[in-house]
Amino acid sequence: AQSVSQHNHHVILSEAASLELGCNYSYGGTVNLFWYVQYPGQHLQLLLKYFSGDPLVKGIKGFEAEFIKSKFSFNLRKPSVQWSDTAEYFCAVTTGTTSGTYKYIFGTGTRLKVLA
Amino acid sequence: DSGVTQTPKHLITATGQRVTLRCSPRSGDLSVYWYQQSLDQGLQFLIQYYNGEERAKGNILERFSAQQFPDLHSELNLSSLELGDSALYFCASSVDGVRTDTQYFGPGTRLTVL
Repeated sequence: AQSVSQHNHHVILSEAASLELGCNYSYGGTVNLFWYVQYPGQHLQLLLKYFSGDPLVKGIKGFEAEFIKSKFSFNLRKPSVQWSDTAEYFCAVTTGTTSGTYKYIFGTGTRLKVLA
Repeated sequence: DSGVTQTPKHLITATGQRVTLRCSPRSGDLSVYWYQQSLDQGLQFLIQYYNGEERAKGNILERFSAQQFPDLHSELNLSSLELGDSALYFCASSVDGVRTDTQYFGPGTRLTVL
Protein backbone atom coordinates (compact mmCIF):
# COMPACT_ATOMS: atom_id res chain seq x y z
CA ALA A 1 0.00 0.00 0.00
CA GLN A 2 1.09 3.54 -0.64
CA SER A 3 2.44 5.26 2.43
CA VAL A 4 4.44 8.22 3.63
CA SER A 5 6.91 7.84 6.47
CA GLN A 6 8.22 10.57 8.67
CA HIS A 7 10.73 8.90 10.91
CA ASN A 8 11.30 11.77 13.32
CA HIS A 9 8.21 12.21 15.45
CA HIS A 10 9.66 14.80 17.79
CA VAL A 11 12.63 17.06 17.19
CA ILE A 12 14.05 19.61 19.61
CA LEU A 13 16.57 22.16 18.39
CA SER A 14 18.14 25.34 19.63
CA GLU A 15 17.72 28.53 17.66
CA ALA A 16 20.17 28.86 14.76
CA ALA A 17 20.60 25.09 14.49
CA SER A 18 20.09 23.48 11.11
CA LEU A 19 17.03 21.39 10.45
CA GLU A 20 16.40 18.35 8.32
CA LEU A 21 13.15 16.43 8.56
CA GLY A 22 12.94 13.14 6.75
CA CYS A 23 10.11 12.05 4.47
CA ASN A 24 10.01 8.81 2.50
CA TYR A 25 7.18 7.52 0.39
CA SER A 26 6.37 4.16 -1.09
CA TYR A 27 4.96 4.43 -4.58
CA GLY A 28 6.57 3.53 -7.84
CA GLY A 29 4.69 5.87 -10.14
CA THR A 30 4.52 9.60 -10.59
CA VAL A 31 4.10 11.53 -7.40
CA ASN A 32 3.54 15.09 -6.37
CA LEU A 33 5.11 16.03 -3.05
CA PHE A 34 4.15 18.57 -0.44
CA TRP A 35 5.21 19.82 2.95
CA TYR A 36 2.57 21.40 5.15
CA VAL A 37 3.06 23.09 8.50
CA GLN A 38 0.70 23.58 11.40
CA TYR A 39 1.71 26.30 13.85
CA PRO A 40 0.25 26.08 17.35
CA GLY A 41 -3.42 27.00 17.28
CA GLN A 42 -3.46 27.52 13.52
CA HIS A 43 -4.62 25.61 10.49
CA LEU A 44 -2.42 23.51 8.23
CA GLN A 45 -0.77 25.54 5.51
CA LEU A 46 1.48 24.79 2.57
CA LEU A 47 5.24 25.28 2.95
CA LEU A 48 6.30 24.06 -0.48
CA LYS A 49 5.50 21.57 -3.19
CA TYR A 50 7.22 19.67 -5.97
CA PHE A 51 5.70 18.58 -9.28
CA SER A 52 8.55 18.37 -11.76
CA GLY A 53 11.74 20.07 -12.85
CA ASP A 54 14.43 21.16 -10.41
CA PRO A 55 14.35 18.65 -7.55
CA LEU A 56 15.42 21.34 -5.10
CA VAL A 57 12.33 23.30 -4.17
CA LYS A 58 12.28 26.51 -2.21
CA GLY A 59 9.31 27.40 -0.07
CA ILE A 60 8.22 30.08 2.32
CA LYS A 61 10.09 31.20 5.44
CA GLY A 62 13.46 29.94 4.23
CA PHE A 63 12.48 26.28 3.94
CA GLU A 64 13.57 24.06 1.08
CA ALA A 65 13.17 20.42 0.19
CA GLU A 66 14.98 18.07 -2.14
CA PHE A 67 13.31 15.34 -4.12
CA ILE A 68 15.59 12.33 -4.55
CA LYS A 69 13.73 9.92 -6.76
CA SER A 70 16.16 7.03 -6.29
CA LYS A 71 15.65 7.22 -2.53
CA PHE A 72 11.91 7.93 -2.65
CA SER A 73 12.63 10.86 -0.36
CA PHE A 74 11.57 14.48 -0.02
CA ASN A 75 13.41 15.83 3.01
CA LEU A 76 12.69 19.28 4.39
CA ARG A 77 15.58 21.54 5.35
CA LYS A 78 16.25 24.92 6.87
CA PRO A 79 19.78 26.16 7.52
CA SER A 80 18.97 28.11 10.68
CA VAL A 81 15.75 27.64 12.64
CA GLN A 82 13.98 30.26 14.68
CA TRP A 83 11.75 29.96 17.72
CA SER A 84 8.80 30.81 15.47
CA ASP A 85 9.40 27.59 13.49
CA THR A 86 8.00 25.60 16.41
CA ALA A 87 5.19 23.68 14.75
CA GLU A 88 4.12 20.33 13.42
CA TYR A 89 5.32 19.47 9.92
CA PHE A 90 3.55 17.08 7.58
CA CYS A 91 4.86 15.54 4.42
CA ALA A 92 2.22 14.60 1.84
CA VAL A 93 2.10 12.81 -1.47
CA THR A 94 -0.50 12.63 -4.20
CA THR A 95 -0.43 9.53 -6.33
CA GLY A 96 -2.38 8.73 -9.43
CA THR A 97 -4.73 5.83 -9.79
CA THR A 98 -5.81 3.86 -12.82
CA SER A 99 -9.25 5.41 -12.65
CA GLY A 100 -7.72 8.84 -13.09
CA THR A 101 -8.42 9.95 -9.56
CA TYR A 102 -5.75 10.38 -6.99
CA LYS A 103 -5.20 10.06 -3.30
CA TYR A 104 -3.66 12.46 -0.90
CA ILE A 105 -1.49 10.61 1.60
CA PHE A 106 -0.06 12.36 4.64
CA GLY A 107 2.74 11.32 6.92
CA THR A 108 2.12 11.18 10.65
CA GLY A 109 3.86 14.46 11.24
CA THR A 110 6.98 15.69 13.03
CA ARG A 111 6.67 17.99 16.00
CA LEU A 112 9.48 20.51 16.03
CA LYS A 113 10.27 22.50 19.13
CA VAL A 114 12.81 25.27 18.86
CA LEU A 115 14.33 26.49 22.09
CA ALA A 116 15.05 30.18 22.35
CA ASP B 1 -7.00 32.56 8.17
CA SER B 2 -7.23 30.15 5.22
CA GLY B 3 -10.74 31.19 4.19
CA VAL B 4 -12.10 27.71 4.89
CA THR B 5 -14.64 27.58 7.70
CA GLN B 6 -15.80 24.59 9.68
CA THR B 7 -18.59 24.25 12.18
CA PRO B 8 -18.89 23.33 14.92
CA LYS B 9 -15.48 23.73 16.52
CA HIS B 10 -16.15 21.13 19.15
CA LEU B 11 -18.70 18.36 19.35
CA ILE B 12 -19.29 15.96 22.20
CA THR B 13 -21.68 13.11 21.72
CA ALA B 14 -22.38 9.55 22.81
CA THR B 15 -21.72 6.23 21.15
CA GLY B 16 -24.36 5.21 18.65
CA GLN B 17 -25.30 8.77 17.81
CA ARG B 18 -25.11 10.59 14.49
CA VAL B 19 -23.49 13.97 13.83
CA THR B 20 -23.01 16.30 10.89
CA LEU B 21 -19.92 18.39 10.34
CA ARG B 22 -20.07 21.35 8.01
CA CYS B 23 -17.45 22.96 5.80
CA SER B 24 -17.50 26.07 3.64
CA PRO B 25 -14.66 26.27 1.11
CA ARG B 26 -12.69 29.32 0.14
CA SER B 27 -14.44 31.59 -2.28
CA GLY B 28 -13.82 30.29 -5.80
CA ASP B 29 -12.67 26.82 -4.77
CA LEU B 30 -14.63 24.00 -6.35
CA SER B 31 -13.15 21.05 -4.54
CA VAL B 32 -13.56 19.98 -0.93
CA TYR B 33 -11.62 17.31 0.94
CA TRP B 34 -12.27 15.68 4.30
CA TYR B 35 -9.62 14.31 6.61
CA GLN B 36 -9.58 12.58 9.97
CA GLN B 37 -6.69 13.20 12.34
CA SER B 38 -6.27 10.91 15.29
CA LEU B 39 -3.31 10.40 17.59
CA ASP B 40 -2.51 6.92 16.41
CA GLN B 41 -3.32 7.22 12.70
CA GLY B 42 -2.15 10.68 11.77
CA LEU B 43 -3.97 12.58 9.04
CA GLN B 44 -6.14 10.24 6.96
CA PHE B 45 -7.75 11.29 3.72
CA LEU B 46 -11.44 10.40 3.74
CA ILE B 47 -13.09 11.75 0.61
CA GLN B 48 -12.97 14.47 -2.02
CA TYR B 49 -15.73 16.28 -3.88
CA TYR B 50 -15.47 18.46 -6.92
CA ASN B 51 -18.32 20.73 -7.92
CA GLY B 52 -20.88 18.51 -6.25
CA GLU B 53 -19.55 15.17 -7.48
CA GLU B 54 -17.49 12.65 -5.55
CA ARG B 55 -14.00 12.57 -7.07
CA ALA B 56 -11.85 10.41 -4.83
CA LYS B 57 -12.34 8.15 -1.89
CA GLY B 58 -9.85 7.32 0.80
CA ASN B 59 -10.20 5.44 4.04
CA ILE B 60 -13.79 6.41 4.69
CA LEU B 61 -15.89 4.02 6.72
CA GLU B 62 -19.32 2.92 5.48
CA ARG B 63 -20.84 4.60 8.55
CA PHE B 64 -19.55 7.91 7.22
CA SER B 65 -20.92 9.77 4.24
CA ALA B 66 -20.44 13.18 2.72
CA GLN B 67 -21.91 15.43 0.13
CA GLN B 68 -21.21 18.73 -1.54
CA PHE B 69 -24.14 21.03 -2.15
CA PRO B 70 -24.81 23.38 -5.10
CA ASP B 71 -23.45 26.31 -3.11
CA LEU B 72 -20.26 24.20 -2.73
CA HIS B 73 -20.40 23.80 1.01
CA SER B 74 -19.94 20.25 2.19
CA GLU B 75 -21.20 18.12 5.04
CA LEU B 76 -19.67 15.03 6.56
CA ASN B 77 -22.15 12.74 8.27
CA LEU B 78 -20.90 10.31 10.87
CA SER B 79 -23.34 7.71 12.17
CA SER B 80 -23.39 4.87 14.68
CA LEU B 81 -20.51 6.60 16.37
CA GLU B 82 -17.91 4.60 18.23
CA LEU B 83 -15.31 5.66 20.76
CA GLY B 84 -12.64 5.27 18.11
CA ASP B 85 -14.26 7.94 15.96
CA SER B 86 -13.07 10.58 18.40
CA ALA B 87 -10.69 12.70 16.37
CA LEU B 88 -10.09 16.03 14.72
CA TYR B 89 -11.88 16.29 11.39
CA PHE B 90 -10.42 18.69 8.88
CA CYS B 91 -11.90 20.04 5.73
CA ALA B 92 -9.76 21.50 2.98
CA SER B 93 -10.55 23.13 -0.31
CA SER B 94 -8.74 23.73 -3.56
CA VAL B 95 -9.42 25.47 -6.82
CA ASP B 96 -9.59 22.65 -9.34
CA GLY B 97 -9.31 19.47 -7.32
CA VAL B 98 -6.38 18.18 -9.32
CA ARG B 99 -3.38 16.40 -7.86
CA THR B 100 -1.11 19.40 -8.10
CA ASP B 101 -3.48 21.72 -6.27
CA THR B 102 -2.56 23.34 -3.01
CA GLN B 103 -5.13 22.52 -0.39
CA TYR B 104 -6.29 25.16 2.09
CA PHE B 105 -7.29 23.74 5.41
CA GLY B 106 -9.95 24.78 7.84
CA PRO B 107 -9.46 24.91 11.60
CA GLY B 108 -11.05 21.51 12.16
CA THR B 109 -13.89 20.09 14.23
CA ARG B 110 -12.89 18.20 17.34
CA LEU B 111 -15.27 15.29 17.86
CA THR B 112 -15.39 13.52 21.20
CA VAL B 113 -17.44 10.36 21.47
CA LEU B 114 -18.18 9.29 25.04
